Amino acid sequence: QKEVEQDPGPLSVPEGAIVSLNCTYSNSAFQYFMWYRQYSRKGPELLMYTYSSGNKEDGRFTAQVDKSSKYISLFIRDSQPSDSATYLCAMSVVGGSEKLVFGKGTKLTVNP
Amino acid sequence: NAGVTQTPKFRILKIGQSMTLQCTQDMNHNYMYWYRQDPGMGLKLIYYSVGAGITDKGEVPNGYNVSRSTTEDFPLRLELAAPSQTSVYFCASTYLRELGQGKAPLHFGNGTRLTVT
Repeated sequence: QKEVEQDPGPLSVPEGAIVSLNCTYSNSAFQYFMWYRQYSRKGPELLMYTYSSGNKEDGRFTAQVDKSSKYISLFIRDSQPSDSATYLCAMSVVGGSEKLVFGKGTKLTVNP
Repeated sequence: NAGVTQTPKFRILKIGQSMTLQCTQDMNHNYMYWYRQDPGMGLKLIYYSVGAGITDKGEVPNGYNVSRSTTEDFPLRLELAAPSQTSVYFCASTYLRELGQGKAPLHFGNGTRLTVT
């Protein structure tokens, strides 16, 4: 079983839709959970991060972590064409040289 | 600030050739990383460094070497290029925050696209 599993999609939605992106993981030592956004031919950029379990909201984006199920989600409300990108989940343990383990990424297209 | 700068942006190598991918950051970050990204495969860690003079292997180090003589620079060396090394290579850096202040983000460069034929 891979440490981090993420459905690579692709996912295509109309503008204004609610988007749900998900990852599962197997390492119970993970404490930091992140979502990176990667535009075409660019490096990934941090979108949101959560420590341990719970929800975090930032504008149209909500990140959820359920450690009991080893499952994390990113919700995008009122999706916009500018949200079209690849979204990568990433996780790390506390310490550990700040190394991240990434999911495969989900490619999202929001159609106007 | 330029952030993380990678050169070259593109390169085509013949099998068996060697090259160095350059990475430099101007944020005084201690931690630096090299990842490779293959289509649909996410980012895999090749090598990382927690400070000048200290390097360690990641998940996929075979066929690569690194050095870290300064805080700013973290070059990645391919000695005998193979088609399996065709990929997009990303360099990233970060720093360790004070305890209780959360996790600093990884700052990525825009990648080097390498083709080995």
